[in-house]
Amino acid sequence: DAGVIQSPRHEVTEMGQEVTLRCKPISGHDYLFWYRQTMMRGLELLIYFNNNVPIDDSGMPEDRFSAKMPNASFSTLKIQPSEPRDSAVYFCASTVGHLNQPQHFGDGTRLSIL
Amino acid sequence: KNEVEQSPQNLTAQEGEFITINCSYSVGISALHWLQQHPGGGIVSLFMLSSGKKKHGRLIATINIQEKHSSLHITASHPRDSAVYICAVNSGGGADGLTFGKGTHLIIQP
Repeated sequence: DAGVIQSPRHEVTEMGQEVTLRCKPISGHDYLFWYRQTMMRGLELLIYFNNNVPIDDSGMPEDRFSAKMPNASFSTLKIQPSEPRDSAVYFCASTVGHLNQPQHFGDGTRLSIL
Repeated sequence: KNEVEQSPQNLTAQEGEFITINCSYSVGISALHWLQQHPGGGIVSLFMLSSGKKKHGRLIATINIQEKHSSLHITASHPRDSAVYICAVNSGGGADGLTFGKGTHLIIQP
């Protein structure tokens, strides 16, 4: 079975550029989560969706960050404009809410903003 | 907001030793998760529990809801168990986002 698929795996870009991270959840999962991991702050929830609808975006750092889920099989996290402090590993995870199942994580996108 | 504390932050042990990692949280939860992150960076869910005890191979997870405390045990530890172990909680009633501890960096020496 295919797990959660994230792309790209690595992204290096210059400050000020737009960055788009992509996630394909496991088929049939109705919850999708975006997390960020840094050395200083560890893992943090950015936003999560249920049935493609954003439920809690209180973890999104600021207006430069936006996330969408246009359909059940695809989500994007966009940073515009990017800043060096956005450098981190971004994880996407998905689960089936009503089955009380653990979350399945993608391999992450390692983002470096120069 | 739930505060999740893990101890120890770092642990080095010899192969074969019994390992215990502790996690405490500040507010009532719907579920607690133990995650494993290897040096390559991927995160794998080991356990999700809301009461009692679960066992999978050499790994055992326990939770005490009244004391807001959980432990992860590894029996007969092996170098391949070397990883970062992360405790996380769901605070809402359903599949809400996780709040994470800072992780325990475990090294098992042969």
